Amino acid sequence: GENVEQHPSTLSVQEGDSAVIKCTYSDSASNYFPWYKQELGKRPQLIIDIRSNVGEKKDQRIAVTLNKTAKHFSLHITETQPEDSAVYFCAARRDSSYKLIFGSGTRLLVRP
Amino acid sequence: DGGITQSPKYLFRKEGQNVTLSCEQNLNHDAMYWYRQDPGQGLRLIYYSQIVNDFQKGDIAEGYSVSREKKESFPLTVTSAQKNPTAFYLCASSSPRGTSTEAFFGQGTRLTVV
Repeated sequence: GENVEQHPSTLSVQEGDSAVIKCTYSDSASNYFPWYKQELGKRPQLIIDIRSNVGEKKDQRIAVTLNKTAKHFSLHITETQPEDSAVYFCAARRDSSYKLIFGSGTRLLVRP
Repeated sequence: DGGITQSPKYLFRKEGQNVTLSCEQNLNHDAMYWYRQDPGQGLRLIYYSQIVNDFQKGDIAEGYSVSREKKESFPLTVTSAQKNPTAFYLCASSSPRGTSTEAFFGQGTRLTVV
């Protein structure tokens, strides 16, 4: 079945450094790839997403890249700040099925 | 507050009892989802529904049941057949066919079975 693998499970960076989280998906028909941020005790919230017809998308300090051939996509956070500390989830979905599959999450810690 | 509401926030049940978690949305979304969140295991899909009166099993459907009698509601029943039901349960909804395909989550229900 469909599967999304996410690495690393934990990531610690110094404030101001960059952070990269990587995901690999198994279903080659997947065409929508969102990223969610979950702060402690709160619900996951969408921070950025990308469709399969686009290779890269940026929103201020956050960017996502997609390599359809290799079936992997990555989240890039530049100039990290302590408030970026949270658990980040990648996900994949094909529009025809609505089935939204998540990765196992990455706990990001930004050290002041 | 996002338009999707889960209740209750905390739920305690005795082992062997069935329990139903509520999820209601007023976003007019077609699709609704139930996920289970355990530490270090991310969000695992239990069931999802694309439309009223239709739902599909996710990766960990055993021991759970759902219904979708109304577009706004997607309750989840945790049955006594679920071997390890203590977990954090998240409901979500989305409208994949629309211009905005974002999935919105409820605040979650923490179920503890004793």
